[in-house]
Amino acid sequence: SQTIHQWPATLVQPVGSPLSLECTVEGTSNPNLYWYRQAAGRGLQLLFYSVGIGQISSEVPQNLSASRPQDRQFILSSKKLLLSDSGFYLCAWSDHMGYQPQHFGDGTRLSIL
Amino acid sequence: GQQVMQIPQYQHVQEGEDFTTYCNSSTTLSNIQWYKQRPGGHPVFLIQLVKSGEVKKQKRLTFQFGEAKKNSSLHITATQTTDVGTYFCAGLSGLTGKLIFGQGTTLQVKP
Repeated sequence: SQTIHQWPATLVQPVGSPLSLECTVEGTSNPNLYWYRQAAGRGLQLLFYSVGIGQISSEVPQNLSASRPQDRQFILSSKKLLLSDSGFYLCAWSDHMGYQPQHFGDGTRLSIL
Repeated sequence: GQQVMQIPQYQHVQEGEDFTTYCNSSTTLSNIQWYKQRPGGHPVFLIQLVKSGEVKKQKRLTFQFGEAKKNSSLHITATQTTDVGTYFCAGLSGLTGKLIFGQGTTLQVKP
């Protein structure tokens, strides 16, 4: 069966520090991969999605970037974190964008101090 | 950009009461998905509706897709404390091919 791993679960970082969040999927090939951010008590904001290795689409201009170095690995990065980057970051995968369910990881709670 | 509007944002009910959340899109959707996020957890897929006017049931949950494929609803009969969480709809835009999430409805159930 397919599983998705996301780490770390919680992260506290100072303003201006770099960020790297990793997400890996097991049990499927060539998945569509997504990064979402959820502010406290709010909805899901799609940040990036990827349909294949090295293919990244950005949904909103921001201080973050994403990379997909391997088929089942998706990384969210920042060179310098801002206070506004705080939130709950969720990675997800699906077999076919929009036509199949998205399966979410457990998320990373990021606090910027 | 295209949005999927979801109402209400919050709902507090007494255990045993019914609950409904609604999603509306300005444009036709190819399908609609529903997710549930428990407090502190991640969204979990509940169901997908594809056909115009489709109705699906999961125990006490009833999902509907509008005839024009622009709106959808989730109705919970006789809520229980285990129903607590945020319910999201997500519509697949026929224009962009992207899945657009509504802002969610957070349900609180008083025992």
